[in-house]
Amino acid sequence: DAKTTQPPSMDCAEGRAANLPCNHSTISGNEYVYWYRQIHSQGPQYIIHGLKNNETNEMASLIITEDRKSSTLILPHATLRDTAVYYCIVRVGGTASKLTFGTGTRLQVTL
Amino acid sequence: DAGVIQSPRHEVTEMGQEVTLRCKPISGHDYLFWYRQTMMRGLELLIYFNNNVPIDDSGMPEDRFSAKMPNASFSTLKIQPSEPRDSAVYFCASSPRAGSYGYTFGSGTRLTVV
Repeated sequence: DAKTTQPPSMDCAEGRAANLPCNHSTISGNEYVYWYRQIHSQGPQYIIHGLKNNETNEMASLIITEDRKSSTLILPHATLRDTAVYYCIVRVGGTASKLTFGTGTRLQVTL
Repeated sequence: DAGVIQSPRHEVTEMGQEVTLRCKPISGHDYLFWYRQTMMRGLELLIYFNNNVPIDDSGMPEDRFSAKMPNASFSTLKIQPSEPRDSAVYFCASSPRAGSYGYTFGSGTRLTVV
């Protein structure tokens, strides 16, 4: 699976959009981009995933560049409860492949 | 759906004792994963099963660790004998099938070996 690079930490004011970047320059054509988050003391939580088109669900939006070498997770209106470590993972779809977690981005949402 | 259920939530044991962690995956999920999380090493995949069969156990640290899945609704991770360096949070996760599906994680078991 392709490796990903994320900033170690970010801050965001409550109510503002949180934009979390991820670089995956070695991504292959059959690899999906997944985002998970882990709130303190809880298990990781699936957020969203995509292949090449932008995706949106009730939690977030995922913007993938046209060359697929980078992506951005957008939390449109961050709240204090969004404070967590966010993991960007690239993984082959359609196989029994495993999720490999990196170090992620620690997002701190402040008042 | 109750989600992935792990027990116990916390376990404190003495070095050398046997420890058994338990996991009930979401009904209908074909894949089950065991992860370990420590401050030093982050989240590590230990082993995963497909339809109750172990597929990849390359992450199991050593022979002291063993995992079983006797049926589709139950899995165990056993450490015998336990050591202080095994102290970590152990997570179980399940997934419906291979492909572009997200995993659902349990709440974890915090293991402390003294």
